[in-house]
Amino acid sequence: TQLLEQSPQFLSIQEGENLTVYCNSSSVFSSLQWYRQEPGEGPVLLVTVVTGGEVKKLKRLTFQFGDARKDSSLHITAAQPGDTGLYLCAGPSGNTGKLIFGQGTTLQVKP
Amino acid sequence: DSGVTQTPKHLITATGQRVTLRCSPRSGDLSVYWYQQSLDQGLQFLIQYYNGEERAKGNILERFSAQQFPDLHSELNLSSLELGDSALYFCASSAGLAGGTSNTGELFFGEGSRLTVL
Repeated sequence: TQLLEQSPQFLSIQEGENLTVYCNSSSVFSSLQWYRQEPGEGPVLLVTVVTGGEVKKLKRLTFQFGDARKDSSLHITAAQPGDTGLYLCAGPSGNTGKLIFGQGTTLQVKP
Repeated sequence: DSGVTQTPKHLITATGQRVTLRCSPRSGDLSVYWYQQSLDQGLQFLIQYYNGEERAKGNILERFSAQQFPDLHSELNLSSLELGDSALYFCASSAGLAGGTSNTGELFFGEGSRLTVL
């Protein structure tokens, strides 16, 4: 059974600090995705990484896919209160398009 | 706005009752997925339909069932409800079996239906 484990589960930081969220598995994934979910809304895709070792940047967010395609990280530089939310990593399971999700990292950025 | 519509947004009911959650996928999307999100278990995959047919099943209880209709909307039926069924239920859609405009399975989520069982 494929599983995705995220750490930390909760993170509370001050505005301007940097942080990294990790997503790990013992299984190889063809790709990994990161979603962000705000209260009262569904998850929204931030990025998809598909190549081992790939690094993608989205403004202050940097996503990395591990060389062995078993792990990924999300680094936020100079966090802002608007970054507050639940960050979820997800990966395809099987060949039907369904995704399995990590349990999520709740980020709170205090002004 | 993801283009995925879920109703109702909130539902309060009693143990033993039955409810139906409804989902309209994005225009043109053939795949519909149902997920359950609770505080202690994260986002759990329940079931997937593609063009009216069941394609994948997750940890869906026997008390739960779903279907996708010819117009591609989907319904999730929850019966003999228990307190532990209280959760957010999300519907997501994608264009095909492999998802989205690429082969990497992007899912578009609705805003969810919050079910409270008292």
